Amino acid sequence: QLVLTQSPSASASLGASVKLTCTLSSGPSTYAIAWHQQQPEKGPRFLMKVNSDGSHKKGDGIPDRFSGSSSGAERYLTISSLQSGDEADYYCQTWGTGIWVFGGGTKLTVL
Amino acid sequence: EVQLLESGGGLVQPGGSLRLSCAASGFTFNNYAMIWVRQAPGKGLDWVSGISDRGRDTYYADSVKGRFTISRDNSKNTLYLQMNSLRAEDTAEYYCAKVAAATGTEAADYWGQGTLVTVS
Repeated sequence: QLVLTQSPSASASLGASVKLTCTLSSGPSTYAIAWHQQQPEKGPRFLMKVNSDGSHKKGDGIPDRFSGSSSGAERYLTISSLQSGDEADYYCQTWGTGIWVFGGGTKLTVL
Repeated sequence: EVQLLESGGGLVQPGGSLRLSCAASGFTFNNYAMIWVRQAPGKGLDWVSGISDRGRDTYYADSVKGRFTISRDNSKNTLYLQMNSLRAEDTAEYYCAKVAAATGTEAADYWGQGTLVTVS
């Protein structure tokens, strides 16, 4: 059974950096994950896929300020030079044969 | 440009039925799996159902198995979700999403804007 765990909330100041964490709490630590951003009152937007080796591939139009990395069962999303528009919910997602699983999401507040 | 446009949401009584549609454009629809994901008010994302590129393989979350049916018409570039025996707990925004592979073993890489289903 695949389970992804995320902290419910995070905050950082305008112009600073923040690192969000998604933990593969159950299932192999070799799984890749995807990060999605959901701004208020909008549909989700795919940000990137992060592999277990830390390599990542971003979606169309995703700025260089967004990057991904990995360590063991943890997958990270780092956002640098925070902007007010980065205030959003961030979800990680993984998948298996015929199943897709989401983490509970992290609400990012930009101070 | 990839576009996914959901429709068919609305207000329905408990026990009723609704069919959602998702019109796709900007990519070769019959080369990719597709999924439905829902989001209850104030809650997180919750996977509902998935279908392979040609429609041969379908997958369901336990919460909707036996009540919802996913299908696709590749000649119309359209994905469907037939929802029967609806319950109050099915109330949510429903999103369709493109999967980055033909089968169900990849991330969702494009999303629609959603359609709201209210069961009351």
